[in-house]
Amino acid sequence: SAVISQKPSRDICQRGTSLTIQCQVDSQVTMMFWYRQQPGQSLTLIATANQGSEATYESGFVIDKFPISRPNLTFSTLTVSNMSPEDSSIYLCSVVSGVNGYTFGSGTRLTVV
Amino acid sequence: GDSVTQMEGPVTLSEEACLTINCTYTATGYPSLFWYVQYPGEGLQLLLKATKADDKGSNKGFEATYRKETTSFHLEKGSVQVSDSAVYFCALSSGQAGTALIFGKGTTLSVSS
Repeated sequence: SAVISQKPSRDICQRGTSLTIQCQVDSQVTMMFWYRQQPGQSLTLIATANQGSEATYESGFVIDKFPISRPNLTFSTLTVSNMSPEDSSIYLCSVVSGVNGYTFGSGTRLTVV
Repeated sequence: GDSVTQMEGPVTLSEEACLTINCTYTATGYPSLFWYVQYPGEGLQLLLKATKADDKGSNKGFEATYRKETTSFHLEKGSVQVSDSAVYFCALSSGQAGTALIFGKGTTLSVSS
């Protein structure tokens, strides 16, 4: 199965600023998924990123707020823009790989103050 | 669309008690079903999975059987341990290439000695 390196693992940010989260995969993958896990909640899909095309966003998520970059088959970034305390969450990336199907990054715990 | 309905917790048990966490799904095709576990302060880990009807996934003493007739994938363990305390997520993959996992809301399990 693929191994994902996700950075940063955590950050505390001021409201109104932006944070970019990176995911590096140790093998080439077609699709990469970005999730948000709000405190005490389940994982909600933000968008699906396919290399060479614009990301596909789920209802309730927009590109201006969560721009995604997918420059090649092993790397992607998610930016959380113009942050507010409501954006405090864990953000995870995921790919389809191997016999187990899905691999997740270790997550980025974001706190907005 | 596809969805997962999961028993909400918290579930509080004594060590060696039996555990069942209910999970039902709605899907138009032939989904694969998963249980993920999130230990306190850690990332998401695959616990077990099943890819077709009547398959039984098992790991670390946990089991779940893919029941197409009842659209269910209940998680069971005969004797829980304190170390099983975690949040458990039922998830579904539609089976179509390149689709993300859909998660249930998660069930918090707390086991006391």
